[in-house]
Amino acid sequence: AQKVTQTQTSISVVEKTTVTMDCVYETRDSSYFLFWYKQTASGEIVFLIRQDSYKKENATVGHYSLNFQKPKSSIGLIITATQIEDSAVYFCAMREMSNYNVLYFGSGTKLTVEP
Amino acid sequence: VTLLEQNPRWRLVPRGQAVNLRCILKNSQYPWMSWYQQDLQKQLQWLFTLRSPGDKEVKSLPGADYLATRVTDTELRLQVANMSQGRTLYCTCSADLGGPNTGQLYFGEGSKLTVL
Repeated sequence: AQKVTQTQTSISVVEKTTVTMDCVYETRDSSYFLFWYKQTASGEIVFLIRQDSYKKENATVGHYSLNFQKPKSSIGLIITATQIEDSAVYFCAMREMSNYNVLYFGSGTKLTVEP
Repeated sequence: VTLLEQNPRWRLVPRGQAVNLRCILKNSQYPWMSWYQQDLQKQLQWLFTLRSPGDKEVKSLPGADYLATRVTDTELRLQVANMSQGRTLYCTCSADLGGPNTGQLYFGEGSKLTVL
């Protein structure tokens, strides 16, 4: 069974708007860490933002923010004021304390930002 | 400046041959280095995480066999063997600072392997 699921295969938005990408995860651990990464057209994978399971506040970094809904095992990524350069594939990922070395990735959501 | 340098970046692999990949950590030392594979559908899958020089691990997955070695504090290697004919695979290394920043990985640029 997939531990991290991204159901949106692709999203297209107009620049300067806000986009939300969905991600749900599955774990029995009480302590875990959630991440979003971005893969550009060149193949480069870049860390964007992180949410620790024990923190109630939603993480925010620049124009990225998270919508962490723990009871729903959901960690959505919100990008405000999108730019053309935000076009990429976005991956949600999870690390469990019980399986420390492994980072489980979702299947990715391709975001296209159009003028 | 690329933190993780991978080579080769691309290799055509004759059927039945193994290929050796290198990942070099530049200008820093990160305790945890890992290999991930990515298929054409973009799915990223963790393969190995090795901490100390001399550490080795093997794994067999559908479509390929893997042997990972932590050579030094700054070098990680991956041997990929028995790849399925016609398959294309990306192997990417990563470095993890560990501690409170665990999981915030830096990734290399990837190595593309295509079996003839």
